[in-house]
Amino acid sequence: QKEVEQNSGPLSVPEGAIASLNCTYSDRGSQSFFWYRQYSGKSPELIMSIYSNGDKEDGRFTAQLNKASQYVSLLIRDSQPSDSATYLCAVGNSWGKFQFGAGTQVVVTP
Amino acid sequence: GAGVSQSPSNKVTEKGKDVELRCDPISGHTALYWYRQRLGQGLEFLIYFQGNSAPDKSGLPSDRFSAERTGESVSTLTIQRTQQEDSAVYLCASSLDRGLGNTIYFGEGSWLTVV
Repeated sequence: QKEVEQNSGPLSVPEGAIASLNCTYSDRGSQSFFWYRQYSGKSPELIMSIYSNGDKEDGRFTAQLNKASQYVSLLIRDSQPSDSATYLCAVGNSWGKFQFGAGTQVVVTP
Repeated sequence: GAGVSQSPSNKVTEKGKDVELRCDPISGHTALYWYRQRLGQGLEFLIYFQGNSAPDKSGLPSDRFSAERTGESVSTLTIQRTQQEDSAVYLCASSLDRGLGNTIYFGEGSWLTVV
């Protein structure tokens, strides 16, 4: 079992719709959770971080964390073509090791 | 510096040669990470430094791979006797510390092609 799992996609989303991305993790000791966006040929860039159960909103992005279910998600509202990228879920443990999922490719269609 | 700096940005090397990849983290960041990303694949954890020590080397693929960090700053990832399967982008990242709430920031990567 991989430590961090994501659907590989591609996830096709019409422009203006909501994109919903899911991530599960295996280490119950995980304490920090992140979503990164990676454009083709570029390095990952941070979108959201979340540390406690519940929702966290930042602009068009909402991260949701459920530690009991070992599940973290990302919603992208009003999706734009510029949101087309691969989204990486990252999970950090208490001593600083960060593991990444394989990423979900999102394609926003005009 | 303003961000994580990596060099070289691109490297083409012949099979069997050794290569060194350098990472200069964000100033003041004590934690430093190396990841490998093959084309179309996810990020593969290689090694993590806290200060100059490496508490986790579990991701290094083989004994051809080694890394060091000096002065709690620059790190070098060395790949000996390179093989074609080593072709990938090697990403370095750093964070202020290793505790809760610390985010890692990536450099632009070193793209390695072994021919």
